[in-house]
Order: sequence, then structure tokens, then C-alpha cells
Amino acid sequence: AQTVTQSQPEMSVQEAETVTLSCTYDTSESDYYLFWYKQPPSRQMILVIRQEAYKQQNATENRFSVNFQKAAKSFSLKISDSQLGDAAMYFCAYRSAPLNYGGSQGNLIFGKGTKLSVKP
Amino acid sequence: AAGVIQSPRHLIKEKRETATLKCYPIPRHDTVYWYQQGPGQDPQFLISFYEKMQSDKGSIPDRFSAQQFSDYHSELNMSSLELGDSALYFCASSWRQKRDSPLHFGNGTRLTVT
Repeated sequence: AQTVTQSQPEMSVQEAETVTLSCTYDTSESDYYLFWYKQPPSRQMILVIRQEAYKQQNATENRFSVNFQKAAKSFSLKISDSQLGDAAMYFCAYRSAPLNYGGSQGNLIFGKGTKLSVKP
Repeated sequence: AAGVIQSPRHLIKEKRETATLKCYPIPRHDTVYWYQQGPGQDPQFLISFYEKMQSDKGSIPDRFSAQQFSDYHSELNMSSLELGDSALYFCASSWRQKRDSPLHFGNGTRLTVT
């Protein structure tokens, strides 16, 4: 079974600074997807960024980027120029890729989350 | 863009009562997932449906049942409610025909059992 581990229960960053959230996972599959979801105090689950295991290039979305190390099974999230609105719980998640076109997509397996605080 | 719609947003029930949560996926999405998130916890997968058939099953109690209808909306039925069922229940949807379709979450239903 796949597992996702976030070793930092809480992190803090100064506004405008950069912070990196860690995530490791365990799987025997070769094709899968990795995601970072943000959950602000409103409790919405918001997709931040995603990465397909077969793509070597690290995904980026504006101020958010990942460092995907497939061999090390590591998937960290870097937030640049942190803003007050970035304060939230961040969940790393794993999802199996379908075996064939139109095949079953696996459900998301979440880590325990990292609570990020942003100091003004 | 249309999002996943969940209703109701809040629900208060007493022990041993029943509750029904509804989920309307994003148009064209054919797969629905249900998650339960307790206070301070990560979301736990309950069950998923594709084309009205159960696709995968997680840690869903036997007291709970769910189904997906012909219009792709889904309902989670919860019976004999217990205090421990108090949680935020998320529905998410995706499009199976798009290989890398991520899960899009609704705003959740907050269930309180007293």
C-alpha cells in the first residue's frame, strides 16, 4: 500500500520570504501523480500544484514550485514570496495512475498535513 | 467555472438519527469520491463511484451507504449516527477520460452529531 509522510506538523515563514514543505512517499508503482492541496481556515480543499511521475521537469504554478526526486520518493513544495493568504494547512497527496486509457483512477492518499503560518 | 456542489453546508443531527449528504460533480465529470475529515485530521477516503457503479471502497462504516445517480450526482446516506461521525465530509469529482484529471473538491458538509 502507498503511504505519504509529511514530517513537519507546523512551519512558519516571514512574509515575502521563501519556505519549503517536505513530503515523502512510499510506493512500488512506477506511474502515479503527486499533488499539493491547500486547506485554509475556511476548510476548502484547493489544488495548488500537481506532478506526474513520468515527467522529469518539476511543476511550477506562479509562486509555487516543487522539487520532485523520484528515486528518493520525495516531493517538496516551495512557496516563494510568501503572502499572508498562504497561511493554511498543506496536504501532500498521492494518486495511482490508470493502467490504461479510461481505466480506474485511484483515490487520493493524503499525508497528515503541515500547518503553515505566515508572519507579517 | 462550475465547481463541485455539496449540500447541505451544515447539518446537526442527534445520535441514532440518519443523515443524507448530496454531491453534484463538475459537469462532464463522471467519477465521484467521498472523504471524511475529522478535526485536525487528514481526509480519509470513504468510497468512490464511476458511471453509477462503485469503483473503490475505503474506510466506510457499514452504517453508511452511497450511490451515484444517472445525472452523476451522488448521495451519502448515514444511519445510526454516532458522536464520532462528527466531521467534515468532502465530495470530489474527476473525469476518468482525462488521464491526469485531478480531484476537484466541494466545500464540504460539516456534520455535527449531538
